[in-house]
Amino acid sequence: QKEVEQNSGPLSVPEGAIASLNCTYSDRGSQSFFWYRQYSGKSPELIMSIYSNGDKEDGRFTAQLNKASQYVSLLIRDSQPSDSATYLCAVNKGTDKLIFGTGTRLQVFP
Amino acid sequence: DTGVSQDPRHKITKRGQNVTFRCDPISEHNRLYWYRQTLGQGPEFLTYFQNEAQLEKSRLLSDRFSAERPKGSFSTLEIQRTEQGDSAMYLCASSPNRGDYGYTFGSGTRLTVV
Repeated sequence: QKEVEQNSGPLSVPEGAIASLNCTYSDRGSQSFFWYRQYSGKSPELIMSIYSNGDKEDGRFTAQLNKASQYVSLLIRDSQPSDSATYLCAVNKGTDKLIFGTGTRLQVFP
Repeated sequence: DTGVSQDPRHKITKRGQNVTFRCDPISEHNRLYWYRQTLGQGPEFLTYFQNEAQLEKSRLLSDRFSAERPKGSFSTLEIQRTEQGDSAMYLCASSPNRGDYGYTFGSGTRLTVV
């Protein structure tokens, strides 16, 4: 079992829709959770962090964490073509490094 | 704050040659990380430093790989006797603390071994 699992996609949504990206992790001791956006050929860019159960909103982005289910998700409201990218879920297990999933490719079509 | 800088952006080398990459972290960040990313995969941890001390190395980091961070400032990653399997994007990241607040990545160095 991978430490951080994501569906590789692609996830295709129409412009203006809500995109829902999901991630599960294996270590119950994981403490902090991150979403990175990575455009093709570019490096990852941090877009959201979440540390406690529940929702955290930042603009069009909402991160959701459920530690009991070992599940973290990212919702993107009013999706735009410029949101088309790979979204990486990363988990800190309480050590000094982040473990990344393989990423989900999101395609937003006009 | 000019972000995390990596040099070079691209490197093409022949199999068997040695290569060295440089990373300049954000100046106030005491933690520096190296990751490797291949196509379709997420970044894989290689090693990290707190100041000048190398605190952890991944099993992915064979003895052909060595990293340094003299004086706790910039870092170098050297790959000796490169192999085609070393072709990847090498990402450097820094953070001001344990990584509890995420990293800032540099633009990466794309290595192609021919």
